[in-house]
Amino acid sequence: QVQLVESGGGVVQPGGSLRLSCAASGFTFSSYGMHWVRQAPGKGLEWVAFIRYDGSNKYYADSVKGRFTISRDNSKNTLYLQMNSLRAEDTAVYYCAKDLRHSYGDGIPDYWGQGTLVTVSS
Amino acid sequence: EIVMTQSPATLSVSPGERATLSCRASQSVSSNLAWYQQKPGQAPRLLIYGASTRATGIPARFSGSGSGTEFTLTISSLQSEDFAVYYCQQYNNWPLAITFGQGTRLEIK
Repeated sequence: QVQLVESGGGVVQPGGSLRLSCAASGFTFSSYGMHWVRQAPGKGLEWVAFIRYDGSNKYYADSVKGRFTISRDNSKNTLYLQMNSLRAEDTAVYYCAKDLRHSYGDGIPDYWGQGTLVTVSS
Repeated sequence: EIVMTQSPATLSVSPGERATLSCRASQSVSSNLAWYQQKPGQAPRLLIYGASTRATGIPARFSGSGSGTEFTLTISSLQSEDFAVYYCQQYNNWPLAITFGQGTRLEIK
């Protein structure tokens, strides 16, 4: 069965950096686009970024563009999110999610990990 | 940006009854609309995509309808495990962005 396990969350000061990882199993990771979606405490869902199956194209929400970088290593079945210049408003649980459609994706996250909490605070 | 608005914010329904949740888009999203269920402390679960197609393993009591700007998620005969927060999400201008509604909390009456 599909399994996605995020790691790398923690407490970081404003302006700092953090790298999240998402280990995937139970499906052909190299065939699917992958998302990061976040949820601030007590709030709704916010899409963050997407990377195509082969890493050829990446897309970002305006709120993180220029600060966050999504990447993947298909040889390790792992998705990453490099977060720089972190702000208090980036505090959230970060979920990785697989897209429903293989290859280029459709913008439909179907399977989600359990999330990792990032807290930006001094 | 396409803004998704869900109503009501909270819906109180008794077990065994029907629940109807609404989602409105600020502009047409055709049928590019999904619904998710999220229980406390858990990740969201995909219920519906393409406005009306149930995802794998989703019970038939969940159904979606609508197109354009108005959408509905109906849960017939509510079970105890259905009380949760529900989000709609549009993906019409994919791959530029996807946006979620603010959620509807379905609680036991």
